[in-house]
Amino acid sequence: DTAVSQTPKYLVTQMGNDKSIKCEQNLGHDTMYWYKQDSKKFLKIMFSYNNKELIINETVPNRFSPKSPDKAHLNLHINSLELGDSAVYFCASSRLTDGPGELFFGEGSRLTVL
Amino acid sequence: QQQVKQSPQSLIVQKGGISIINCAYENTAFDYFPWYQQFPGKGPALLIAIRPDVSEKKEGRFTISFNKSAKQFSLHIMDSQPGDSATYFCAASMLPHTGNQFYFGTGTSLTVIP
Repeated sequence: DTAVSQTPKYLVTQMGNDKSIKCEQNLGHDTMYWYKQDSKKFLKIMFSYNNKELIINETVPNRFSPKSPDKAHLNLHINSLELGDSAVYFCASSRLTDGPGELFFGEGSRLTVL
Repeated sequence: QQQVKQSPQSLIVQKGGISIINCAYENTAFDYFPWYQQFPGKGPALLIAIRPDVSEKKEGRFTISFNKSAKQFSLHIMDSQPGDSATYFCAASMLPHTGNQFYFGTGTSLTVIP
Protein backbone atom coordinates (compact mmCIF):
# COMPACT_ATOMS: atom_id res chain seq x y z
CA ASP A 1 0.00 0.00 0.00
CA THR A 2 1.68 3.19 -1.21
CA ALA A 3 2.28 5.67 1.60
CA VAL A 4 2.97 8.80 -0.49
CA SER A 5 1.73 8.66 -4.05
CA GLN A 6 2.26 11.20 -6.81
CA THR A 7 0.72 11.51 -10.24
CA PRO A 8 1.77 11.67 -12.94
CA LYS A 9 5.13 9.90 -12.74
CA TYR A 10 6.25 11.42 -16.04
CA LEU A 11 5.19 14.67 -17.63
CA VAL A 12 6.46 16.02 -20.96
CA THR A 13 5.15 19.39 -22.06
CA GLN A 14 5.95 22.48 -24.08
CA MET A 15 7.24 25.78 -22.76
CA GLY A 16 4.48 28.13 -21.75
CA ASN A 17 2.00 25.42 -20.79
CA ASP A 18 0.40 24.99 -17.37
CA LYS A 19 0.59 21.66 -15.56
CA SER A 20 -0.29 20.12 -12.22
CA ILE A 21 1.17 17.34 -10.10
CA LYS A 22 -0.96 15.67 -7.47
CA CYS A 23 0.15 14.12 -4.20
CA GLU A 24 -1.66 12.08 -1.60
CA GLN A 25 -0.46 10.47 1.61
CA ASN A 26 -2.25 7.80 3.62
CA LEU A 27 0.05 7.92 6.64
CA GLY A 28 -2.09 10.29 8.68
CA HIS A 29 0.74 12.86 8.67
CA ASP A 30 -0.03 16.51 9.24
CA THR A 31 2.84 18.04 7.26
CA MET A 32 3.46 17.76 3.52
CA TYR A 33 6.19 19.13 1.29
CA TRP A 34 7.29 19.66 -2.26
CA TYR A 35 10.97 19.19 -3.09
CA LYS A 36 12.67 19.81 -6.42
CA GLN A 37 15.57 17.59 -7.50
CA ASP A 38 17.62 18.96 -10.36
CA SER A 39 19.81 17.10 -12.82
CA LYS A 40 22.69 17.15 -10.33
CA LYS A 41 20.47 15.38 -7.79
CA PHE A 42 20.37 18.41 -5.48
CA LEU A 43 17.23 18.30 -3.28
CA LYS A 44 15.72 21.70 -2.62
CA ILE A 45 12.61 22.33 -0.55
CA MET A 46 9.96 24.41 -2.26
CA PHE A 47 6.96 24.40 0.06
CA SER A 48 5.78 22.93 3.31
CA TYR A 49 2.18 22.71 4.52
CA ASN A 50 0.97 21.83 7.99
CA ASN A 51 -2.72 20.98 8.33
CA LYS A 52 -3.46 22.76 5.05
CA GLU A 53 -1.57 25.86 6.12
CA LEU A 54 1.54 27.08 4.30
CA ILE A 55 4.51 27.19 6.68
CA ILE A 56 7.54 27.16 4.40
CA ASN A 57 7.74 28.97 1.10
CA GLU A 58 11.29 29.06 -0.17
CA THR A 59 12.36 31.37 -2.94
CA VAL A 60 10.27 29.87 -5.68
CA PRO A 61 8.84 31.77 -8.67
CA ASN A 62 5.20 32.63 -8.13
CA ARG A 63 4.42 30.56 -11.23
CA PHE A 64 4.47 27.67 -8.74
CA SER A 65 1.36 27.47 -6.60
CA PRO A 66 0.75 24.72 -4.07
CA LYS A 67 -2.75 23.84 -2.96
CA SER A 68 -3.74 21.67 -0.03
CA PRO A 69 -7.46 20.78 -0.09
CA ASP A 70 -7.02 18.67 3.05
CA LYS A 71 -4.12 17.44 5.13
CA ALA A 72 -3.77 14.25 3.07
CA HIS A 73 -3.33 16.06 -0.24
CA LEU A 74 -0.87 18.62 -1.55
CA ASN A 75 -0.96 19.51 -5.22
CA LEU A 76 1.50 21.61 -7.20
CA HIS A 77 0.38 23.77 -10.09
CA ILE A 78 2.93 25.34 -12.40
CA ASN A 79 2.03 28.14 -14.79
CA SER A 80 3.90 29.24 -17.90
CA LEU A 81 6.42 26.43 -17.77
CA GLU A 82 10.05 27.24 -18.57
CA LEU A 83 12.95 25.03 -19.65
CA GLY A 84 14.55 25.45 -16.23
CA ASP A 85 11.54 23.86 -14.57
CA SER A 86 12.63 20.49 -15.92
CA ALA A 87 13.41 18.39 -12.86
CA VAL A 88 12.05 15.62 -10.67
CA TYR A 89 9.51 16.90 -8.16
CA PHE A 90 9.10 14.94 -4.94
CA CYS A 91 6.22 15.11 -2.57
CA ALA A 92 6.95 14.14 1.02
CA SER A 93 5.14 13.98 4.33
CA SER A 94 6.01 13.82 8.01
CA ARG A 95 4.40 14.04 11.39
CA LEU A 96 4.98 17.37 13.10
CA THR A 97 6.40 16.42 16.42
CA ASP A 98 8.68 17.59 19.17
CA GLY A 99 10.97 14.67 18.48
CA PRO A 100 12.94 13.66 15.38
CA GLY A 101 10.68 13.42 12.39
CA GLU A 102 11.12 11.23 9.34
CA LEU A 103 10.37 12.40 5.84
CA PHE A 104 8.47 9.93 3.69
CA PHE A 105 8.95 10.65 0.00
CA GLY A 106 6.87 9.71 -3.00
CA GLU A 107 8.53 8.21 -6.04
CA GLY A 108 8.79 11.52 -7.83
CA SER A 109 7.28 13.15 -10.89
CA ARG A 110 9.75 13.76 -13.70
CA LEU A 111 8.85 16.95 -15.56
CA THR A 112 10.44 17.62 -18.93
CA VAL A 113 9.81 20.99 -20.56
CA LEU A 114 10.60 21.15 -24.29
CA GLN B 1 23.98 29.28 0.69
CA GLN B 2 24.52 25.57 1.23
CA GLN B 3 23.75 24.80 4.87
CA VAL B 4 25.17 21.28 4.72
CA LYS B 5 28.26 20.46 2.64
CA GLN B 6 28.73 16.90 1.46
CA SER B 7 31.65 15.08 -0.13
CA PRO B 8 32.61 13.30 -2.26
CA GLN B 9 30.18 13.86 -5.11
CA SER B 10 30.75 10.31 -6.31
CA LEU B 11 32.41 7.23 -4.90
CA ILE B 12 33.38 3.88 -6.38
CA VAL B 13 34.14 1.05 -3.97
CA GLN B 14 34.92 -2.61 -4.42
CA LYS B 15 32.54 -5.15 -2.96
CA GLY B 16 33.49 -5.79 0.65
CA GLY B 17 35.20 -2.43 1.03
CA ILE B 18 34.31 0.48 3.27
CA SER B 19 32.42 3.46 1.85
CA ILE B 20 32.82 6.77 3.65
CA ILE B 21 30.78 9.90 2.97
CA ASN B 22 31.43 13.13 4.83
CA CYS B 23 29.25 16.10 5.73
CA ALA B 24 29.89 19.40 7.46
CA TYR B 25 27.56 22.09 8.78
CA GLU B 26 27.88 25.57 10.23
CA ASN B 27 24.66 26.18 12.14
CA THR B 28 25.13 24.99 15.72
CA ALA B 29 21.36 25.05 16.20
CA PHE B 30 21.11 21.86 14.15
CA ASP B 31 20.44 18.91 16.44
CA TYR B 32 19.24 16.09 14.25
CA PHE B 33 21.29 14.56 11.44
CA PRO B 34 19.67 11.93 9.22
CA TRP B 35 21.04 10.13 6.19
CA TYR B 36 18.75 9.32 3.30
CA GLN B 37 19.32 6.69 0.61
CA GLN B 38 17.90 7.07 -2.88
CA PHE B 39 17.79 4.35 -5.53
CA PRO B 40 17.32 5.30 -9.21
CA GLY B 41 13.72 6.12 -10.00
CA LYS B 42 12.71 6.19 -6.34
CA GLY B 43 12.32 8.81 -3.66
CA PRO B 44 14.86 9.16 -0.85
CA ALA B 45 14.24 7.00 2.22
CA LEU B 46 15.58 7.37 5.74
CA LEU B 47 18.59 5.12 6.34
CA ILE B 48 19.93 6.10 9.74
CA ALA B 49 19.97 9.21 11.94
CA ILE B 50 21.86 10.61 14.91
CA ARG B 51 21.44 13.30 17.52
CA PRO B 52 24.49 15.25 18.74
CA ASP B 53 24.42 13.82 22.26
CA VAL B 54 26.17 10.69 20.95
CA SER B 55 29.33 10.38 18.86
CA GLU B 56 28.40 7.22 17.00
CA LYS B 57 25.35 5.25 15.96
CA LYS B 58 25.46 1.86 14.30
CA GLU B 59 22.71 -0.03 12.51
CA GLY B 60 23.93 -3.19 10.84
CA ARG B 61 26.62 -2.31 8.31
CA PHE B 62 25.83 1.43 8.51
CA THR B 63 27.48 3.71 11.07
CA ILE B 64 27.23 7.44 11.61
CA SER B 65 30.22 9.11 13.26
CA PHE B 66 29.54 12.53 14.72
CA ASN B 67 32.08 15.18 15.75
CA LYS B 68 30.23 18.03 17.42
CA SER B 69 33.27 20.26 17.96
CA ALA B 70 34.28 19.99 14.31
CA LYS B 71 30.66 20.24 13.14
CA GLN B 72 31.15 17.20 10.96
CA PHE B 73 29.47 13.86 10.58
CA SER B 74 30.04 10.92 8.31
CA LEU B 75 28.41 7.75 7.07
CA HIS B 76 30.44 4.56 6.99
CA ILE B 77 29.18 1.55 5.08
CA MET B 78 31.09 -1.57 6.08
CA ASP B 79 31.37 -4.59 3.78
CA SER B 80 29.84 -2.58 0.93
CA GLN B 81 27.58 -4.56 -1.40
CA PRO B 82 26.43 -3.92 -4.98
CA GLY B 83 22.93 -3.48 -3.57
CA ASP B 84 24.22 -0.43 -1.66
CA SER B 85 24.77 1.38 -4.97
CA ALA B 86 22.59 4.46 -4.62
CA THR B 87 22.74 8.20 -3.95
CA TYR B 88 23.21 9.13 -0.32
CA PHE B 89 22.14 12.44 1.19
CA CYS B 90 23.08 13.78 4.57
CA ALA B 91 20.74 16.28 6.14
CA ALA B 92 20.40 18.49 9.19
CA SER B 93 17.43 19.79 11.07
CA MET B 94 16.49 21.68 14.20
CA LEU B 95 14.25 20.31 16.91
CA PRO B 96 11.41 20.84 17.53
CA HIS B 97 10.50 20.33 13.93
CA THR B 98 8.57 23.51 13.46
CA GLY B 99 7.88 23.24 9.79
CA ASN B 100 10.17 20.23 9.72
CA GLN B 101 12.78 22.13 7.74
CA PHE B 102 15.46 19.68 6.61
CA TYR B 103 18.61 20.97 4.93
CA PHE B 104 20.06 18.40 2.55
CA GLY B 105 23.62 17.93 1.36
CA THR B 106 24.31 17.77 -2.35
CA GLY B 107 24.34 13.96 -2.48
CA THR B 108 26.96 11.27 -3.09
CA SER B 109 26.54 8.74 -5.84
CA LEU B 110 27.93 5.43 -4.58
CA THR B 111 28.79 2.59 -6.94
CA VAL B 112 29.86 -0.73 -5.47
CA ILE B 113 31.68 -2.89 -7.99
CA PRO B 114 31.15 -6.67 -7.69
